[in-house]
Amino acid sequence: KNEVEQSPQNLTAQEGEFITINCSYSVGISALHWLQQHPGGGIVSLFMLSSGKKKHGRLIATINIQEKHSSLHITASHPRDSAVYICAFYNNNDMRFGAGTRLTVKP
Amino acid sequence: NAGVTQTPKFRILKIGQSMTLQCAQDMNHNYMYWYRQDPGMGLKLIYYSVGAGITDKGEVPNGYNVSRSTTEDFPLRLELAAPSQTSVYFCASLSGGGFEQFFGPGTRLTVL
Repeated sequence: KNEVEQSPQNLTAQEGEFITINCSYSVGISALHWLQQHPGGGIVSLFMLSSGKKKHGRLIATINIQEKHSSLHITASHPRDSAVYICAFYNNNDMRFGAGTRLTVKP
Repeated sequence: NAGVTQTPKFRILKIGQSMTLQCAQDMNHNYMYWYRQDPGMGLKLIYYSVGAGITDKGEVPNGYNVSRSTTEDFPLRLELAAPSQTSVYFCASLSGGGFEQFFGPGTRLTVL
């Protein structure tokens, strides 16, 4: 079993829809990261969470430490949000990654 | 700031050849990482460094070596390349407190 599980693997949405991507992990962690990998391959960091909730523009990330679960929400989705979204946990200098959720937003 | 830079962008190696993937960052980050990403798979940590002179193995270190003689540079060495090392390699650095990872653009390596 992977230490980091993401769902769904693939997600197609219409422009304007509310998107939720889920991440579950199996060990105690120091922090959880959400990353975005663009179609061209570049990777950018979206959030780092150790508790609660963070918001940046139309993106919201939440984490429940007790349930070992995090969600990434995108409000008013747009075709430019199409990318692979990756969650990763950071624990004792080690990083473990989920396989990613491929999001396609259609106009 | 250039951020994290990687060279080369693409490389084709023959089985048994060696090469060094270069990574540099100009943000004075102590923590640096090398990952590989196989098609359809998640990133896996190869090696990491918490500062100049200090390196440690990650999840998939076999077939690779690293060094960290300066804060800025973190090269990854492949000795005796094998087809299983065909992958995209990403270097990253971590800001103080672990708040944000900065990734290089990646190196696409094919071993034939």
